[in-house]
Amino acid sequence: DIQMTQSPSSLSASVGDRVTISCRASQSISNYLNWYQQKPGKAPNLLIYAASSLQSGVPSRFGGSGSGTDFTLTINSLQPEDFATYYCQQTYSTPLTFGGGTKVEI
Amino acid sequence: QVQLQEPGPGLVKPSETLSLTCIVSGGSINLYYWSWIRQPPGKGLEWIGYISDSGNTNYNPSLKSRVTISIDTSKAHFSLRLSSVTAADTAVYYCARDRGYSFESPYRYFDIWGRGTLVTVSS
Repeated sequence: DIQMTQSPSSLSASVGDRVTISCRASQSISNYLNWYQQKPGKAPNLLIYAASSLQSGVPSRFGGSGSGTDFTLTINSLQPEDFATYYCQQTYSTPLTFGGGTKVEI
Repeated sequence: QVQLQEPGPGLVKPSETLSLTCIVSGGSINLYYWSWIRQPPGKGLEWIGYISDSGNTNYNPSLKSRVTISIDTSKAHFSLRLSSVTAADTAVYYCARDRGYSFESPYRYFDIWGRGTLVTVSS
């Protein structure tokens, strides 16, 4: 199985900050990497697919980059509604696996 | 727009079979793949498996011996059965639309999710 490691596991930030979350795969996964946002008690919501493609309806302050084993989710100008947990997911091979999550707190 | 609902039993006894159905409304169940994902309380996400509209399945090997995913396109729903459950299977279970380019394609993502249903395994 491909292991996905996110860092940090949690971070504190303020409204207006630029936030970066890292995701590392245990082997190369090309660009088959998705990012999801999850708020407490809610289902995950797709933000980014194929490493850098912004899902329709997602604000442009969210951006993704990377390929191979190292990926980054960037949130420019953090908004109050962005405080949540973020997960990366690899789809290069099954079983599809998720990172452990990064909780963004105030 | 497409919505997914996964009403569930809430409580299942150890060693019994967990059964969930995901109802697809507002759009077609055809031409897509459909996944089940679970999340133990306070923990991360685990992919269980996906099914095509023609009934082909791909399961997580860690659960494969206990999992069956099926689909009924005429009723616009797909289902999950997980046998011989233990407390470790206690989780919120989500269904999701899987935008796989093809059955084996690595180009896939989950763009629509159900609200999730908490299933507790307890006697």
